[in-house]
Amino acid sequence: GAVVSQHPSWVICKSGTSVKIECRSLDFQATTMFWYRQFPKQSLMLMATSNEGSKATYEQGVEKDKFLINHASLTLSTLTVTSAHPEDSSFYICSVRVGRTYEQYFGPGTRLTVT
Amino acid sequence: GQNIDQPTEMTATEGAIVQINCTYQTSGFNGLFWYQQHAGEAPTFLSYNVLDGLEEKGRFSSFLSRSKGYSYLLLKELQMKDSASYLCAAMDSNYQLIWGAGTKLIIKP
Repeated sequence: GAVVSQHPSWVICKSGTSVKIECRSLDFQATTMFWYRQFPKQSLMLMATSNEGSKATYEQGVEKDKFLINHASLTLSTLTVTSAHPEDSSFYICSVRVGRTYEQYFGPGTRLTVT
Repeated sequence: GQNIDQPTEMTATEGAIVQINCTYQTSGFNGLFWYQQHAGEAPTFLSYNVLDGLEEKGRFSSFLSRSKGYSYLLLKELQMKDSASYLCAAMDSNYQLIWGAGTKLIIKP
């Protein structure tokens, strides 16, 4: 498997501010990382695929100017929620894809609350 | 379209056996994954099937029938710590995961 960390584990911010979430692959060089969002009692929703050294690929309906993704190295991808609003409050989880079978290993998640 | 179906919730008794079913429809197929997710935590990888048949891993087993678009996760000797949501995900021809909504498993003593 792969060990993935996220920072911070939780954050509370005021409406209109920006929040940066870091995702680190600790023992694996990840050319591809994924960012998910999960609302209470719902399944994972893929937001974007983060590719090292290139632009992220966003899923339909996800605003790329609002959710800025930077994958500057093989071990770090960041998600910045810009001008956050209460409806952006959610559980944000990153993952890395490893192996021939492409299984994904997830970070512990970041709980964002926008007041 | 692409779709994953699994039951919303199941209840079982400690020490018993439970089977969680999943049916899928995807554009192409590159395997079926099962993940476990405890409340408030991220999912953890349980199993991967790409060929028909049963894969056993300790108390957990996963089965796949590609012709039927069907998989199940079998949990034996249930323990209270197995109370969690179980997510089924199928990988399509582009190696993208299509996620089910998850099955919440409640274990009663």
